[in-house]
Amino acid sequence: EAGVTQSPTHLIKTRGQQVTLRCSPISGHTSVYWYQQALGLGLQFLLWYDEGEERNRGNFPPRFSGRQFPNYSSELNVNALELEDSALYLCASSSGGLPDTQYFGPGTRLTVL
Amino acid sequence: GESVGLHLPTLSVQEGDNSIINCAYSNSASDYFIWYKQESGKGPQFIIDIRSNMDKRQGQRVTVLLNKTVKHLSLQIAATQPGDSAVYFCAENMGGADGLTFGKGTHLIIQP
Repeated sequence: EAGVTQSPTHLIKTRGQQVTLRCSPISGHTSVYWYQQALGLGLQFLLWYDEGEERNRGNFPPRFSGRQFPNYSSELNVNALELEDSALYLCASSSGGLPDTQYFGPGTRLTVL
Repeated sequence: GESVGLHLPTLSVQEGDNSIINCAYSNSASDYFIWYKQESGKGPQFIIDIRSNMDKRQGQRVTVLLNKTVKHLSLQIAATQPGDSAVYFCAENMGGADGLTFGKGTHLIIQP
């Protein structure tokens, strides 16, 4: 069974630019979560999508947004990039059942110069 | 602030010894806990989970212990191997729409 996949693997952008990251969940999973992991730090919850709807968002500014498609894949968009946005962006998926175990993808390493 | 934290940022153990990684949580309403392993440059990998109605759960070479009285979670790794070198995160699920809350992680270093 294929795991969670993310693209691209690495990305380099400059301040002020916009970026789109992509995630495909495990087949059969309807929930997708996005996390930001700055270097040497823990995972900070960004967004949760389930059945195409945004269910919750973490303490991040509105320039972080996303969506979930009918096939349950998801995009994370970050506008007006800032230097501190440099991080590993992780996507996780779950079946939405209880307990809600999340399985992670390999992440996208974003560097903002 | 974070409700889940780890006592030690780095743990160094000899190959073949047992490792114990600790985690404290503050939300007594949390009903589900997960341990993840994250190797350098990779996403977190699910290791083992435990529900709040249990106090112990065993997997292959790993055991998770949950002490709800003192809100403490631990991960025991038996006969530590070089491949166990990684950062280990505990995470709690408080239910609802909050997703998982992660601690900062403990870096496990295996000495030859």
